[in-house]
Amino acid sequence: QQQVKQSPQSLIVQKGGISIINCAYENTAFDYFPWYQQFPGKGPALLIAIRPDVSEKKEGRFTISFNKSAKQFSLHIMDSQPGDSATYFCAASHTTSGGSYIPTFGRGTSLIVHP
Amino acid sequence: GAGVSQSPSNKVTEKGKDVELRCDPISGHTALYWYRQSLGQGLEFLIYFQGNSAPDKSGLPSDRFSAERTGGSVSTLTIQRTQQEDSAVYLCASSLKGLEGTYEQYFGPGTRLTVT
Repeated sequence: QQQVKQSPQSLIVQKGGISIINCAYENTAFDYFPWYQQFPGKGPALLIAIRPDVSEKKEGRFTISFNKSAKQFSLHIMDSQPGDSATYFCAASHTTSGGSYIPTFGRGTSLIVHP
Repeated sequence: GAGVSQSPSNKVTEKGKDVELRCDPISGHTALYWYRQSLGQGLEFLIYFQGNSAPDKSGLPSDRFSAERTGGSVSTLTIQRTQQEDSAVYLCASSLKGLEGTYEQYFGPGTRLTVT
């Protein structure tokens, strides 16, 4: 059972365009939603994250939009640049009653930004 | 500052051999995770260590996989009797509880395992 569904699997955008990646989750206990960026040969790195008490968070060209009622959240990359070409993973997590914190990851989106 | 390091960066082994993958987390990080990433796939959770608590092994795919974390720091993932389907990138991450009660994970560069 896939608890976090990510789409699209791949995305091609022209330089200067907007890249949009969507994720949907099922577990209403999730309370932390990070996005990770991974370049080839590297481990994922935290890009931006949001808690469900806000509907939007912006950091530079990167924005997370969060819709709690729909159990969906998305990453928007404004003015996309070739250097943004990478694989992006959404994740969702919560701290269990036992104190464990194990994020569930989406399957990733391969973004290519053409110059 | 030093990040999460993993060794070796690449490992080629023959089917049936045992392999050990090492992870050095960021100093002071109480939580450590192992993930497996197959080509074009997401991150598959394997095992989670938190402080002195018993590890969460719920993601280990078979009893050929095991991991230990000595002294709350370095961790070793062992795969016994490797199979071709074990070929993947094995990622380690460590984290510390942040001010907002969340855990930001810091990933290592991974070990690429190829089983021939």
